[in-house]
Amino acid sequence: QVQLQESGPGLVKPSETLSLTCAVSGSSVISSYYWGWIRQPPGKGLEWIGSVYHSGSAFYNPSLKSRVTISVDTSKNQFSLRLNSVTAADTAVYYCARGQHLVTWGQGTLVTVSS
Amino acid sequence: DIQMTQSPSTLSASVGDRVTITCRASQSISTWLAWYQQKPGKAPKLLIYKASSLESGVPSRFSGSGSGTEFTLTISNLQPDDFATYYCQQYNSDSTFGGGTKVEIK
Repeated sequence: QVQLQESGPGLVKPSETLSLTCAVSGSSVISSYYWGWIRQPPGKGLEWIGSVYHSGSAFYNPSLKSRVTISVDTSKNQFSLRLNSVTAADTAVYYCARGQHLVTWGQGTLVTVSS
Repeated sequence: DIQMTQSPSTLSASVGDRVTITCRASQSISTWLAWYQQKPGKAPKLLIYKASSLESGVPSRFSGSGSGTEFTLTISNLQPDDFATYYCQQYNSDSTFGGGTKVEIK
């Protein structure tokens, strides 16, 4: 059974970098899947942030592309999200997920941007 | 960018009703569309992929149809566990979610 678990700071200061990691168990990040990040601001809908293929090729939401990096760490069987220059608008629950249609999700982690 | 427009944004229904949610894409996405159910405080759950394929373990009262730019999610015989928010997602070109449809108890 594939499981995903997000980890990272729950509080980030404005203008700093948000960094999250998604640990994968029950599958390998080098298997033929996309691995992605999605976020959900409090009380709002889902927003796709981006995805990375097992080869390392990454695809990003055009509205976030200039600030986002998603990468795979095969040695640790995990993938990561970095979002630069954050503002209060980046406050959200961040989910990691597997696939193009997102068949497996992490439980989500709330990240608050505040000084 | 492909935009996804979901309607209605809120739907009031009763147990046993047949419910239909629509998702429209701003350009053709073939059948690269998925539907998810989300309950408060929980991660979304995949219901349907490739427009009409039922994910393993999902009750057969959920069905999806459509291709190109217009898609529907139908829940026949609505059950108490089905009151939730539903999202469509296109994955033809990058990915985009619809705005969501909250299914409420009438």
